Amino acid sequence: RKEVEQDPGPFNVPEGATVAFNCTYSNSASQSFFWYRQDCRKEPKLLMSVYSSGNEDGRFTAQLNRASQYISLLIRDSKLSDSATYLCVVNKGYGQNFVFGPGTRLSVLP
Amino acid sequence: GAGVSQSPSNKVTEKGKDVELRCDPISGHTALYWYRQSLGQGLEFLIYFQGNSAPDKSGLPSDRFSAERTGGSVSTLTIQRTQQEDSAVYLCASSATQGFYGYTFGSGTRLTVV
Repeated sequence: RKEVEQDPGPFNVPEGATVAFNCTYSNSASQSFFWYRQDCRKEPKLLMSVYSSGNEDGRFTAQLNRASQYISLLIRDSKLSDSATYLCVVNKGYGQNFVFGPGTRLSVLP
Repeated sequence: GAGVSQSPSNKVTEKGKDVELRCDPISGHTALYWYRQSLGQGLEFLIYFQGNSAPDKSGLPSDRFSAERTGGSVSTLTIQRTQQEDSAVYLCASSATQGFYGYTFGSGTRLTVV
């Protein structure tokens, strides 16, 4: 099993839609979780951390389920500018080394 | 500096030549990471530095790849006898001591081996 798995998509959704991505991880000792966003031919940028209790940042909500070892990202009221690849990032359970998932591609259509 | 700086931004080299890629992390960041990304692919971990030591270099694809970090700051990734399959974007990132706030990427070096 891969360390971090994501549905590659693409997810094609209309503007204003709500879309959710899941990410599963294999290392039960992992303690830090993030969502990054990568635009075409650009470097990844931190979107948000994922906290145990779940957290929200504007239209974005992140959730962690330790028992099932998955994290999720919910985007409400999708904008055209949300079109990007969303990367799930999980630490290896020791130190600061992180593993990136392969990413889920989102296209928000007018 | 304000962000992670990488140089050069683009490098075209002939097969068989050696190349050096440089990363200047955010000031004060003790952890530094190298990844590479081939066109349309995900990020491939190469090596991770904590200070000047590399606790995890398991991602270096062959002994043609090496990296060092000096003074807990600048890092250099060296690829010897480049091959066409080395063509990719090489991304550097850095993070603060605890690393629990994610890390910041540089804009990468696009390496093309012809």
